[in-house]
Amino acid sequence: AAGVIQSPRHLIKEKRETATLKCYPIPRHDTVYWYQQGPGQDPQFLISFYEKMQSDKGSIPDRFSAQQFSDYHSELNMSSLELGDSALYFCASSSGSSTRTSGNTIYFGEGSWLTVV
Amino acid sequence: EDKVVQSPLSLVVHEGDTVTLNCSYEVTNFRSLLWYKQEKKAPTFLFMLTSSGIEKKSGRLSSILDKKELFSILNITATQTGDSAVYLCAVEIQGAQKLVFGQGTRLTINP
Repeated sequence: AAGVIQSPRHLIKEKRETATLKCYPIPRHDTVYWYQQGPGQDPQFLISFYEKMQSDKGSIPDRFSAQQFSDYHSELNMSSLELGDSALYFCASSSGSSTRTSGNTIYFGEGSWLTVV
Repeated sequence: EDKVVQSPLSLVVHEGDTVTLNCSYEVTNFRSLLWYKQEKKAPTFLFMLTSSGIEKKSGRLSSILDKKELFSILNITATQTGDSAVYLCAVEIQGAQKLVFGQGTRLTINP
């Protein structure tokens, strides 16, 4: 069965550069979530989208932006990268409105590892 | 192949009961185990466990890891209807920088 696909799996960038991570949800899933987990840190929810609209916002820095496209894939854009942005970024997808239906099964990708040097 | 298995897949109890959710894993290179709660919005993080035998506690929730037997449990005491959610377990793989998730346990608390 198709899973959540994230790309690239690994990325190395220099400080002040820009990075873009992509997330392809499971087919027919319309909700995408982004998380950030720094080394030895708790995962942090960044942002989520439902039907191409932002549905929830967490601790996403102003330097970051994200969107969900018409084919439901999502991209996380990170600018002016800092060393502290080095982390595992993973996205997840589910189907149905996350605000209408409780407990929809959510599927996670394997994550994209960003290293800022 | 890295694998995380949760049980039960579904559980229905009455308010006030105590529940135990299980998570077992078989992975190549364990780094940490994480528990999440998913309600109507994005999953919220509950616990991260890295050391065996050390209980982590947050209110009525607690969790412990057994790295010898390769499992973790999540306990919820004096359950409330607000505990109804899907509880997800994930294992972080050292070196591969990836998370492997279980199927989730759907917990329903009836008043």
